[in-house]
Amino acid sequence: GNSVTQMEGPVTLSEEAFLTINCTYTATGYPSLFWYVQYPGEGLQLLLKATKADDKGSNKGFEATYRKETTSFHLEKGSVQVSDSAVYFCALTPREGSQGNLIFGKGTKLSVKP
Amino acid sequence: DAGVTQSPTHLIKTRGQQVTLRCSPKSGHDTVSWYQQALGQGPQFIFQYYEEEERQRGNFPDRFSGHQFPNYSSELNVNALLLGDSALYLCASSPGQVRIETQYFGPGTRLLVL
Repeated sequence: GNSVTQMEGPVTLSEEAFLTINCTYTATGYPSLFWYVQYPGEGLQLLLKATKADDKGSNKGFEATYRKETTSFHLEKGSVQVSDSAVYFCALTPREGSQGNLIFGKGTKLSVKP
Repeated sequence: DAGVTQSPTHLIKTRGQQVTLRCSPKSGHDTVSWYQQALGQGPQFIFQYYEEEERQRGNFPDRFSGHQFPNYSSELNVNALLLGDSALYLCASSPGQVRIETQYFGPGTRLLVL
């Protein structure tokens, strides 16, 4: 079946540190991949996405590359800020037999200290 | 342009009761999906409505039902509430014509079952 596995948190970093949050997936066919962010007390916001192998999604200094050979979509940012503190969810949409429902990982909580 | 709105924001019910949650999609969107997010977990897909019909359903019991109105707004109904139904319920909207498209999430309704 389809599933997403992401590294467990919480992750605590100092401001300006480098961030990596690992995400791997299992899917039949070629899914679209997403990173969503959930700030405290808010709903989910799309951070970035990639729809085919080797695509790189990027937004607000975050980026992730769709790696079909390793079935991964790791999230990276070169220099985190306190305002990046949130929960990050990796997700996929199966390409076959789906009308676009998202399958999420469990989330990784990031805390950035000044 | 209003985004996805949900009501109520919070709700407390007791076991065995029934609850109705409401969602208005983003302007121009005709597809509404519902997700359940238990504490500390990623959202899980409940079902999706398009053209007033349930188009796809996740692994949830028949106690969970929904409806979509001609103006594309939607309701989620849960009967015979269980303690385990306590969660954040998220509504997401998207344009229905494109099968794989970014979903926009509302802030959610937090349901507590006592």
